[in-house]
Amino acid sequence: ILMTQSPATLSASPGESVTLSCRASQGVNNNLAWYQQRPGQAPRLLIYGASTRATGISARFSGSGSGTEFTLTISSLQSEDFAVYYCHQYADWPPEDTFGQGTKVDIK
Amino acid sequence: QVQLQESGPGLVKPSDTLSLTCIVSRHSIRGSDWWGWIRQTPEKGLDWIGFIYYSGTTSYNPSLGHRVTMSVDTAKNQFSLSMRSVTAADTATYYCVRRLWADRINNWGQGALVIVSS
Repeated sequence: ILMTQSPATLSASPGESVTLSCRASQGVNNNLAWYQQRPGQAPRLLIYGASTRATGISARFSGSGSGTEFTLTISSLQSEDFAVYYCHQYADWPPEDTFGQGTKVDIK
Repeated sequence: QVQLQESGPGLVKPSDTLSLTCIVSRHSIRGSDWWGWIRQTPEKGLDWIGFIYYSGTTSYNPSLGHRVTMSVDTAKNQFSLSMRSVTAADTATYYCVRRLWADRINNWGQGALVIVSS
């Protein structure tokens, strides 16, 4: 399953809200996660099941979608939110996971 | 909180075998989880390599499967990756991960940079 994220880069100012998109080449139901990766760090789970926030994740992060179209919305951007975001599908059985190529959120 | 730590050589010669081990702490590897490897390069992003269950059942990325072998050592609570015939294209940061049985990747190691060069 091919995962396509858009845009590749998104420039925004602190306090703004942004929406990132992820499209699957075939339906994955809600078997979709989002990760945040800051420079020099491993990815960190934000959202799973398309819309469930992981433990300790701010309510400023919200996910939606099902099937082939998904979005991650970050409201009121803070300095620590400027990072790269990846979507990940885990629908296949046995598992054959795939990732999007990432969206970089940088400071305008 | 589960902790994962990669270990292994940071430099491997072309055509040699890349070997990495992931030590799992604060969680038994004999649970209902898949244990796996994901690598990352600036060019290709995140690329899934494979998963293994504690019983030895595996699932490999078809594009890499012919060069990859994963194993698990339940006594030491760790699992390993072996990738044969490496080239410069295998230069990457390698992460070990814990994936819930039919669900998300919940935990990541800190990553290990492996450079393939003579």
